[in-house]
Amino acid sequence: SQTIHQWPATLVQPVGSPLSLECTVEGTSNPNLYWYRQAAGRGLQLLFYSVGIGQISSEVPQNLSASRPQDRQFILSSKKLLLSDSGFYLCAWSGGLGGYTFGSGTRLTVV
Amino acid sequence: DQQVKQNSPSLSVQEGRISILNCDYTNSMFDYFLWYKKYPAEGPTFLISISSIKDKNEDGRFTVFLNKSAKHLSLHIVPSQPGDSAVYFCAARSYSGANNLFFGTGTRLTVIP
Repeated sequence: SQTIHQWPATLVQPVGSPLSLECTVEGTSNPNLYWYRQAAGRGLQLLFYSVGIGQISSEVPQNLSASRPQDRQFILSSKKLLLSDSGFYLCAWSGGLGGYTFGSGTRLTVV
Repeated sequence: DQQVKQNSPSLSVQEGRISILNCDYTNSMFDYFLWYKKYPAEGPTFLISISSIKDKNEDGRFTVFLNKSAKHLSLHIVPSQPGDSAVYFCAARSYSGANNLFFGTGTRLTVIP
């Protein structure tokens, strides 16, 4: 069966520090992968999606970047975090009964 | 432009009563609609869906209604239970493209014991 893993679960980082969040999918090949952010009191904002290795589409210009070095690996990065980068980050893949299947999320607090 | 809208950010309901969560959309080409449930510090999980060719889908205590002419769908939870307290996201799927699932802003449901 397909599973999606996302880590870390929580992260506290100082302003100006780098960021790397990782997401991996098991049990499927060539999935469409997505990074979302849920800011406090707000809905799900699509940040990036990828249809294949090295193929990244950005939905919102920002301080973040994404990479897909392997078929089932999706990484969200930043060179220098801002306070406004705080939020709950979710990885998802396009599959399963529910359209998208989400990871368990990463709570990022930039201090 | 927000293609899927949930105009009620929050809803409180007594345990045992009906919860009705609403969702409106603008794109008539959406062919599939879904509801997700999200607890704090967790990812959203799929709850129930409906195809655009139907007007109702029921799964236990959960029923989704679709009114295509009004571009409106609703989720009914009967009877509501305290464990149903969560944020509910409505989503609509377009028929093509990789970026094909559009989410509403969510409604926080609180079921009061």
